[in-house]
Parts: sequence; structure tokens; C-alpha cells
Amino acid sequence: AQRVTQPEKLLSVFKGAPVELKCNYSYSGSPELFWYVQYSRQRLQLLLRHISRESIKGFTADLNKGETSFHLKKPFAQEEDSAMYYCAPPGNTPLVFGKGTRLSVIA
Amino acid sequence: DVKVTQSSRYLVKRTGEKVFLECVQDMDHENMFWYRQDPGLGLRLIYFSYDVKMKEKGDIPEGYSVSREKKERFSLILESASTNQTSMYLCASPSSSGEQYFGPGTRLTVT
Repeated sequence: AQRVTQPEKLLSVFKGAPVELKCNYSYSGSPELFWYVQYSRQRLQLLLRHISRESIKGFTADLNKGETSFHLKKPFAQEEDSAMYYCAPPGNTPLVFGKGTRLSVIA
Repeated sequence: DVKVTQSSRYLVKRTGEKVFLECVQDMDHENMFWYRQDPGLGLRLIYFSYDVKMKEKGDIPEGYSVSREKKERFSLILESASTNQTSMYLCASPSSSGEQYFGPGTRLTVT
């Protein structure tokens, strides 16, 4: 199965500080990766996918094949970014989500 | 434009009861998944289905079974609920591009 690892369970940053949520993958072939976000009392939803190479809500993620990573970054954290974030491979095969990182942005 | 719905948002059941969790998707997707979500453990795959009447075990199938009689509906069954099955249960259905669409979740409490 395609597997990803998120080494941090909890990440706390101050408002305005840069954010980096780590994700490493461990499967061969051409990787496709996604970041999902779950805000309080909302359903899990797609934040961004690496193939689109777009910025969503100020977040970007670059696939680094050399480091087998797909870290999620934002230059200036905002309080509304506080949520649970999951890294995952594509869902049309048996997939294993990362364990998730809870981001807490402190005012 | 709700795409994946789950039958209940909150459910309280007693130990030993048989529990049915239903999920419906309106996107005509082939694949459907059931996960449970627990703090510190992330999402763990219970069962998935590639097509009607097809099912495959995920990482933690023990104590669960599933049913997929129609393409749009995927049911998770707890044959005899136990307290360690208290959790948030999420249904999901991926598109052909791999994006997962999730239901709102069912928070099950087994007492």
C-alpha cells in the first residue's frame, strides 16, 4: 500500500509566523499526493493536490522526490488555519492516510 | 451540493447491539471507503469496495462487516458493538482523479 508519514501530531505557531506541516511518502512510482483539512465541526475536505501546483488559502506544497516529501507551507499563519491536516496518496487505490497534524495558531 | 451523506451524525448504542451505519454518494463513483478517526491515530481504513457486491478488508476490519448492494450505498455493520468501537466513522468516495469526498461523519458512542 502507498503510505505517508506525518511526524508531528501537534504543531503550535503564533499568528503571522510561517507554518510547515511535514509529510513524507514511502512508495515507488510516480507519486501523487493530496493535503486534506478538517476544520472544527466540518467534514474533511481537499485542501490541495500536488499536480495542480496551486496555492489554496495561502498554502502551497511542493513534491520533493529526492527527499520523498510533500510538506505543506504557508508564510504567515492565521487563526482560521487552526485545523487538522492530513496528507494522503490518491484515493482510487487502497490508501493509507498520514496520522494527521493538528495545527494550532495562537493569537 | 452535498455529495456524500451519512445516515446519522450522532449515535449511542449499548454493548452487544448490532449497529448499521449507512453512506450514500450521488457521484456515480465505483469506489467507496469506510474509515474510523481517532485522536492520535488519524484515519484508519476499515473496509473498501470497488464495485457493487465487492468488498475488501482494510487495515482494521475486525469486528466490522460491510454491504454494497447498490452502487450509491455502502453500509458498515458492527455485528456486536463494543466500547472500543466508540469512534468517529467517516465514509468517503474518491473521484477518478483520486480526490476523496468525505461524508460528515458519524460519532458513535458504545456504552
